[in-house]
Amino acid sequence: DQQVKQNSPSLSVQEGRISILNCDYTNSMFDYFLWYKKYPAEGPTFLISISSIKDKNEDGRFTVFLNKSAKHLSLHIVPSQPGDSAVYFCAASFMNRDDKIIFGKGTRLHILP
Amino acid sequence: DSGVTQTPKHLITATGQRVTLRCSPRSGDLSVYWYQQSLDQGLQFLIQYYNGEERAKGNILERFSAQQFPDLHSELNLSSLELGDSALYFCASSVASRRGRIEKLFFGSGTQLSVL
Repeated sequence: DQQVKQNSPSLSVQEGRISILNCDYTNSMFDYFLWYKKYPAEGPTFLISISSIKDKNEDGRFTVFLNKSAKHLSLHIVPSQPGDSAVYFCAASFMNRDDKIIFGKGTRLHILP
Repeated sequence: DSGVTQTPKHLITATGQRVTLRCSPRSGDLSVYWYQQSLDQGLQFLIQYYNGEERAKGNILERFSAQQFPDLHSELNLSSLELGDSALYFCASSVASRRGRIEKLFFGSGTQLSVL
């Protein structure tokens, strides 16, 4: 059972425009959410996170929005740049449990020139 | 560079064989996690160790085992290998944690295992 779902395997966006990556989760006990970015031949790297007590967190060009009632979060990248082309993983974890972070299958983002 | 070192980068072996993947966590990190990434799957959590002790198990097969040594490096042992075990295996480490939230995992660059 996929507890964290990224339903779009890939997304293409024009350079300079906004990229919106979506993620849904099924377990309402999740209380912390993360986005990781992965380039080919490299491990995933942490991008941005959000606690369930917030509905928005911003870091430069990256903003994550959380809608708890819909069990949905999204990552906005504005403006999109060529270096943003990568696979983006959504992940979730539980309060006071350090045993695992559960990842989605990832969305491959292509930034078009 | 994440500071997490995985060896080897690539491994090609035959069905039925046994291999060992090695991971050195970031300096100071006590927790080590193993994840598997197959072709159309996300990052599947396998197992976590904290300061030498197994902390949590995920979707790890009985043919697979792991351990964390006193120097905190970890090894993932995969035995009786099958074609379906071909995947990218990632190790990650995090800052020392008792029962708090993981805020970040730092990943190695992975070991690509090909079972022929």
